[in-house]
Amino acid sequence: QVQLVQSGAEVKEPGASVRVSCKASGYSFTSYYMDWVRQAPGQGLEWIGTINPNTGTTSYAQQFQGRVTMSRDTSTSTVYMELSSLKSEDTAVYYCARVAFGGAFRWFDPWGQGTLVTVSS
Amino acid sequence: DIQLTQSPSFLSASVGDRVTITCRASQGISSYLAWYQQKPGKAPKLLIYVASTLQSGVPSRFSGSGSGTEFTLTISSLQPEDFATYYCQHLNSYPITFGQGTRLEIK
Repeated sequence: QVQLVQSGAEVKEPGASVRVSCKASGYSFTSYYMDWVRQAPGQGLEWIGTINPNTGTTSYAQQFQGRVTMSRDTSTSTVYMELSSLKSEDTAVYYCARVAFGGAFRWFDPWGQGTLVTVSS
Repeated sequence: DIQLTQSPSFLSASVGDRVTITCRASQGISSYLAWYQQKPGKAPKLLIYVASTLQSGVPSRFSGSGSGTEFTLTISSLQPEDFATYYCQHLNSYPITFGQGTRLEIK
């Protein structure tokens, strides 16, 4: 079955960087975009950006431009999301989600289990 | 950016009730809308895509409708496992955005 397994929780100091991984299995890795979404404690869902695992092309939300880098390793079917210059406001659960599609339409399914990133001194 | 506004933000209902959640887009998004259910400590789960298509394995008491700027998610007869937070999401263009969420609680 299609499965996304993310790396474990991280604790980082302000100003540091964090890299979260998302390993895909059960489908053709290069055939589906992968997106990243985060959720601060008690808050809603915020889209971070997307990567095309086939080409490595990325697109990021404006508020993360310059701080986020998404990459992939096709040999291990893994995508990565690195966020730099961390602030306390970046404390959140970070999710990867496969972008399923039908014609021009898209939706997120499935999602990874989430990775808690805590930014604290 | 396209803004999505859900109403209500909080809903208290009883088992067996019929409930409707509305999602309004700040501009037309055709049927590029999905609905997700999220339970505490868990990842969101896809319920509905392309505004009205039920995801495989999702109970038929869930339904979605709408197009353009106004969409609804309806649960025909609430079950205990349906108490959760629900989000709409547009995928019409980048940036993708989500509604602020509707928290459904037991009355």
